[in-house]
Amino acid sequence: GAVVSQHPSWVICKSGTSVKIECRSLDFQATTMFWYRQFPKQSLMLMATSNEGSKATYEQGVEKDKFLINHASLTLSTLTVTSAHPEDSSFYICSVSGGGTDTQYFGPGTRLTVL
Amino acid sequence: KQEVTQIPAALSVPEGENLVLNCSFTDSAIYNLQWFRQDPGKGLTSLLLIQSSQREQTSGRLNASLDKSSGRSTLYIAASQPGDSATYLCAVIYNQGGKLIFGQGTELSVKP
Repeated sequence: GAVVSQHPSWVICKSGTSVKIECRSLDFQATTMFWYRQFPKQSLMLMATSNEGSKATYEQGVEKDKFLINHASLTLSTLTVTSAHPEDSSFYICSVSGGGTDTQYFGPGTRLTVL
Repeated sequence: KQEVTQIPAALSVPEGENLVLNCSFTDSAIYNLQWFRQDPGKGLTSLLLIQSSQREQTSGRLNASLDKSSGRSTLYIAASQPGDSATYLCAVIYNQGGKLIFGQGTELSVKP
């Protein structure tokens, strides 16, 4: 399967700042990338789906102007949390798929804490 | 509304015990179902994927069954080990290329 990395693995920031999280597919042409959010003791909730070179499709209730997603290449997607607030503190996980299959390969996640 | 529910939310067992984790889904017209493992503070590892036409899948000490008509799946873990301690998530997809809908997970603790 694909090897997926995320950077940073954790980040602490002040309220009002923006944070960028990278998701890289190291050995796999990821035509589709997914971003999930997981609050403590809760399950993963899909935030958005992006195809390489296209605008992301956001799930209902997810603010596209607050969570900026860029899927610039088949190996890189970024999630930028703009003007972060404490309620944005969460575990953000990306996954990738491609090659004509539905299998998603997950990254290790990024822990965001907004003070 | 398409929802996935997992029971129990947490489970603690002694080492060596066989155990069953349950997953149910409200809309039975799934495309496939997957079981994942998540270690604390980590991403997800796919354990087993069952297509809608299949009844079960096996990998080592793990066996996942699917009863699509009743909207249920079970994950059977044989001869549990402390290293099996993790949160187990099930997720369904309703169409090819569709999104994964996750259950809340079962937090498993296997005591030595």
